[in-house]
Amino acid sequence: SQQGEEDPQALSIQEGENATMNCSYKTSINNLQWYRQNSGRGLVHLILIRSNEREKHSGRLRVTLDTSKKSSSLLITASRAADTASYFCASFVFEKLTFGTGTRLTIIP
Amino acid sequence: DAGVIQSPRHEVTEMGQEVTLRCKPISGHDYLFWYRQTMMRGLELLIYFNNNVPIDDSGMPEDRFSAKMPNASFSTLKIQPSEPRDSAVYFCASSFVGQGVNYGYTFGSGTRLTVV
Repeated sequence: SQQGEEDPQALSIQEGENATMNCSYKTSINNLQWYRQNSGRGLVHLILIRSNEREKHSGRLRVTLDTSKKSSSLLITASRAADTASYFCASFVFEKLTFGTGTRLTIIP
Repeated sequence: DAGVIQSPRHEVTEMGQEVTLRCKPISGHDYLFWYRQTMMRGLELLIYFNNNVPIDDSGMPEDRFSAKMPNASFSTLKIQPSEPRDSAVYFCASSFVGQGVNYGYTFGSGTRLTVV
């Protein structure tokens, strides 16, 4: 069973705009991770935020974590056509990673 | 490192046949995971190994599914007999846990299985 839900399920924006995706999860976690999946490919690890962290940056990515609300968000700034993909949050609890439902992001050139 | 290597990339088989999916994890990684992805159910964890030992197989859907990891560099997922509802993309992933901290998983490119 999936640990969490993501919102929105699909998002289309113009190139250069910022994209924000939200994730909710159900149980206490050790860390939360975000992955990208291009069509027909495997998942690629983007960023990990520990349960005692509130915000983390990596290049154009910014992740926030609110453990009191069991939620996280991923912000991609200055989007590019190459960012078109599905994005998944995944909660890590005792050795296991459980994935959310994913957000399909389309960047319009 | 070539990453996590899965074979075959695509498999089409007839219902009732045995199917074997293969995975070579990243050298030095001590965890290996098998996931299944479908439109209806998303990404589901089937089974995972730590240091070649199966730890949790509660996600394996039925007795028709079995997985082995005979050594640190090889794992198989077998379906016998296969059924059309097994059609999905099967991913293998590996990871390293250092001092109790997980640093993220590395996924293979997946095997797209079609059972007709």
